Amino acid sequence: GDSVTQMEGPVTLSEEAFLTINCTYTATGYPSLFWYVQYPGEGLQLLLKATKADDKGSNKGFEATYRKETTSFHLEKGSVQVSDSAVYFCALFPTDSWGKLQFGAGTQVVVTP
Amino acid sequence: NAGVMQNPRHLVRRRGQEARLRCSPMKGHSHVYWYRQLPEEGLKFMVYLQKENIIDESGMPKERFSAEFPKEGPSILRIQQVVRGDSAAYFCASSPLQAISPGELFFGEGSRLTVL
Repeated sequence: GDSVTQMEGPVTLSEEAFLTINCTYTATGYPSLFWYVQYPGEGLQLLLKATKADDKGSNKGFEATYRKETTSFHLEKGSVQVSDSAVYFCALFPTDSWGKLQFGAGTQVVVTP
Repeated sequence: NAGVMQNPRHLVRRRGQEARLRCSPMKGHSHVYWYRQLPEEGLKFMVYLQKENIIDESGMPKERFSAEFPKEGPSILRIQQVVRGDSAAYFCASSPLQAISPGELFFGEGSRLTVL
């Protein structure tokens, strides 16, 4: 079945450091891919998305490129801030699904001043 | 411009009691999803509903759990005879017609259930 695997956390970084969170997926067809972010005590928010191969999603300085050849959708940010501390979830929406967005386990990111 | 509203935010129940969690989707959204987040785990899909219809309940435990989304009023996730393993955060999400933006969900802040 379809699944998402992302790197385990927590990832601890200093402010202004470069962030990468790896995400790979297994799916039939051509799923859409997403990154959601969960700030402490809150629900998830859509951060960015890509709907087809080679698409790059971007938002708030974060980027991720849909790589079909490596079935990956790694999240990157060039210079993190303390306010980026959150849990980041990679997710896929299968092409043949009625709406079952499938999430990875989440990666906690802690940014220190 | 209210988002997805869930209540209660926190709920404490003793083993064997019932828990009812409510979710009002964003205005104009006709699709509701329930996810469960266990401690130290990711989100697990439970059920997907449209008004008066259960579309996909493949993630719902076979016993004690039920969900509805009536024509009027909020969606309700009901857990009967709760056990300690039901302690989790339950998130509701909504979306407009899926053809417009599939996979883009709007989440509520969650209901955190603690079973004593």
